Amino acid sequence: GAGVSQSPSNKVTEKGKDVELRCDPISGHTALYWYRQSLGQGLEFLIYFQGNSAPDKSGLPSDRFSAERTGGSVSTLTIQRTQQEDSAVYLCASSFWTGAKTYEQYFGPGTRLTVT
Amino acid sequence: ELKVEQNPLFLSMQEGKNYTIYCNYSTTSDRLYWYRQDPGKSLESLFVLLSNGAVKQEGRLMASLDTKARLSTLHITAAVHDLSATYFCAVNFGNEKLTFGTGTRLTIIP
Repeated sequence: GAGVSQSPSNKVTEKGKDVELRCDPISGHTALYWYRQSLGQGLEFLIYFQGNSAPDKSGLPSDRFSAERTGGSVSTLTIQRTQQEDSAVYLCASSFWTGAKTYEQYFGPGTRLTVT
Repeated sequence: ELKVEQNPLFLSMQEGKNYTIYCNYSTTSDRLYWYRQDPGKSLESLFVLLSNGAVKQEGRLMASLDTKARLSTLHITAAVHDLSATYFCAVNFGNEKLTFGTGTRLTIIP
């Protein structure tokens, strides 16, 4: 079956512009995660959505970052007023959650963001 | 502080040799994962370890978990070039978000 998909695969933007990154999770997966991978910081958790619960935003680095998940499926990560330090690969993952247990996370191919 | 430490960071090994990558974590965890990442690619799930003493094997890779020592190992047997990649361990610390180790870049030399 189809895996996690992300778009765009690459995004180059000028400093100060806003960007939107999209994630389509695996069908039927109720939990969705965003991570960031950069040379200096490694792999970092950003935000997590699970079912109808309020998202866990504890990893968002600043208030320029926000995310939403519409209809319990597709998610969009928005970065406002981009800075050069936002340059990284943004990875989305999804997993199946029963309410008692969350299963392993499956990762998408990522969006490489370059801020010039 | 919730920390996951991997060592070594870089590993060059000859084909046919055995080696072990270590993953230490700072506090109680209920799940530990190993992922593989090829250059320019995303993360591929290798193993999920759920309990003390868990051991899983797939081909030339074997992962184990000691929750008392807060240690997981990824053992490579008779390495082949196809295993060249970066390997990450990741831990759930009582919630659903993953805390990743620094990664081990493995290069297999013919």
